[in-house]
Amino acid sequence: NAGVTQTPKFRILKIGQSMTLQCTQDMNHNYMYWYRQDPGMGLKLIYYSVGAGITDKGEVPNGYNVSRSTTEDFPLRLELAAPSQTSVYFCASSLVSTGDYGYTFGSGTRLTVV
Amino acid sequence: AQSVTQLDSQVPVFEEAPVELRCNYSSSVSVYLFWYVQYPNQGLQLLLKYLSGSTLVKGINGFEAEFNKSQTSFHLRKPSVHISDTAEYFCAVSEWSQFYFGTGTSLTVIP
Repeated sequence: NAGVTQTPKFRILKIGQSMTLQCTQDMNHNYMYWYRQDPGMGLKLIYYSVGAGITDKGEVPNGYNVSRSTTEDFPLRLELAAPSQTSVYFCASSLVSTGDYGYTFGSGTRLTVV
Repeated sequence: AQSVTQLDSQVPVFEEAPVELRCNYSSSVSVYLFWYVQYPNQGLQLLLKYLSGSTLVKGINGFEAEFNKSQTSFHLRKPSVHISDTAEYFCAVSEWSQFYFGTGTSLTVIP
């Protein structure tokens, strides 16, 4: 199984540019999440989705948007990139209904905004 | 909301020595507990989890953790570390389908 696949792995953006971070999972998981990881700060939840067509804000949603048109895909959109969005972004998924609340993580996207 | 505290941000330990990485959380009401490991430039991998039953949980790579409800702790231990255990370790708590991560502990194994 591929699990959770994130693309691209690395990206450099100029201030004000926009981009979409892609995330796809092939495990038929209901829940999907986007986190950002900054040094010494752990992981902070940006957005999450409990199923196709349903999304909700996490702890740090400003400057980001998401959509969930299918169970498999959960892209994260950055509009008007800012240096504060320089971070490593992780997508994750889980099958909450089984009671096994563990996440499966993608390998991350390292984004630099200059 | 939960808060998850990893008391040590960095833990250096000599190879073949034992190690304990500490994790405390704020509320013991119906939670599930996890430890994740992150190797350099990789995503997080599940190390072990506590859902119910025995309070001593065994995970991959020889790690184990003990759930202590009265102390709201879930400390991670390994009796003898290897160089390959050098990584970042995250404690996480799931409460009402919300996940809360600690800030991580960087374990460095010294040859």
